[in-house]
Amino acid sequence: DTGVSQNPRHKITKRGQNVTFRCDPISEHNRLYWYRQTLGQGPEFLTYFQNEAQLEKSRLLSDRFSAERPKGSFSTLEIQRTEQGDSAMYLCASSRTEPGETQYFGPGTRLLVL
Amino acid sequence: DQQVKQNSPSLSVQEGRISILNCDYTNSMFDYFLWYKKYPAEGPTFLISISSIKDKNEDGRFTVFLNKSAKHLSLHIVPSQPGDSAVYFCAAGGQTSYDKVIFGPGTSLSVIP
Repeated sequence: DTGVSQNPRHKITKRGQNVTFRCDPISEHNRLYWYRQTLGQGPEFLTYFQNEAQLEKSRLLSDRFSAERPKGSFSTLEIQRTEQGDSAMYLCASSRTEPGETQYFGPGTRLLVL
Repeated sequence: DQQVKQNSPSLSVQEGRISILNCDYTNSMFDYFLWYKKYPAEGPTFLISISSIKDKNEDGRFTVFLNKSAKHLSLHIVPSQPGDSAVYFCAAGGQTSYDKVIFGPGTSLSVIP
């Protein structure tokens, strides 16, 4: 296993369109996280899964955003009716279950909404 | 409200010298702290961490110091190498909120050959 992978790496879309990103975590990791990073800022937490259960969502995750992890393996993040303010790097991370366990990040999906 | 602060957006250091990156936090409930390094077009890479019960953790050229009373931590890189040039993020997490990690805004380190 080579680490966390994310697809696509880049996405350009027009305002109002829907987009979906995929994250494949490290295989033995139960926890999966989504973050968003904008220019000059650190990653901001969006949501978190323990296996297939979505356990926490940030207030940043408006009702246009939905994340799933149906079989406790890969996850998808969908943004409906995209807005220009959604343009950012979307990062996925995974970790083992133990508290404080290090999160390992994927390369991210860069979204540009025109 | 920024819970994790990195007040220096950038830092330049000569190769071979020490790089010191600083981080301050406001939430005393944070239980552990991490440093990540990020190259352009890549995700953050874990570098080193420290638990709140320790005041120092060392891994090769990297040492993290934690001062809980001051709510301050620092990352020392000795000796600095050109390959260390990257953005460094300080991050903090706790035993609550399912270990959600809060990141600082990052410090861009340039190591000059």
